[in-house]
Amino acid sequence: DAKTTQPTSMDCAEGRAANLPCNHSTISGNEYVYWYRQIHSQGPQYIIHGLKNNETNEMASLIITEDRKSSTLILPHATLRDTAVYYCIVREHSGGGADGLTFGKGTHLIIQP
Amino acid sequence: EPEVTQTPSHQVTQMGQEVILRCVPISNHLYFYWYRQILGQKVEFLVSFYNNEISEKSEIFDDQFSVERPDGSNFTLKIRSTKLEDSAMYFCASSERDSGLYNSPLHFGNGTRLTVT
Repeated sequence: DAKTTQPTSMDCAEGRAANLPCNHSTISGNEYVYWYRQIHSQGPQYIIHGLKNNETNEMASLIITEDRKSSTLILPHATLRDTAVYYCIVREHSGGGADGLTFGKGTHLIIQP
Repeated sequence: EPEVTQTPSHQVTQMGQEVILRCVPISNHLYFYWYRQILGQKVEFLVSFYNNEISEKSEIFDDQFSVERPDGSNFTLKIRSTKLEDSAMYFCASSERDSGLYNSPLHFGNGTRLTVT
């Protein structure tokens, strides 16, 4: 799986949009971009994933650049409960379904009141 | 919303003892996983399981570890002869198989904190 690069930490004011960047310059054609987060002492929580089109769900939006070498996760109205470590993961879809996820160190997002 | 449940939330054991960590995956999911996270470190993949056999395992998953799906609902991780360095959070995850090349996301439980003394 391709390697990702994320900032170690970021701050965002409560109520503002949090934009978390991720670089994945070696991504290949069949690799999807996944975002998870881990709130302290809990299991990783799935947020969103995409291949090349921008995606939106009830939690967040995912913007993937046209060359697919980077992406941005957007939390539109951050709350204190969004403070967590956010992981950007590139995952190959082999069709078998048993391939797991490789977690990096992620970005520690701190929402300030 | 369906969720992955893990028991116990905290397990304390003495070095050399065997432990079994239990997980109930989401009911219609077919792929099962174990991960671990040593305090302050990354989440690490241990093993994936499908159709009653191991699909993939990491270097961490040596002969000390085994997994089993003893019935239609539980998925267990057994650690034989525990060592101090096995102290960690252990997370179970499951995913649903979609058709074609589209893999569905993994959904994680909230983990079992294993403390080996």
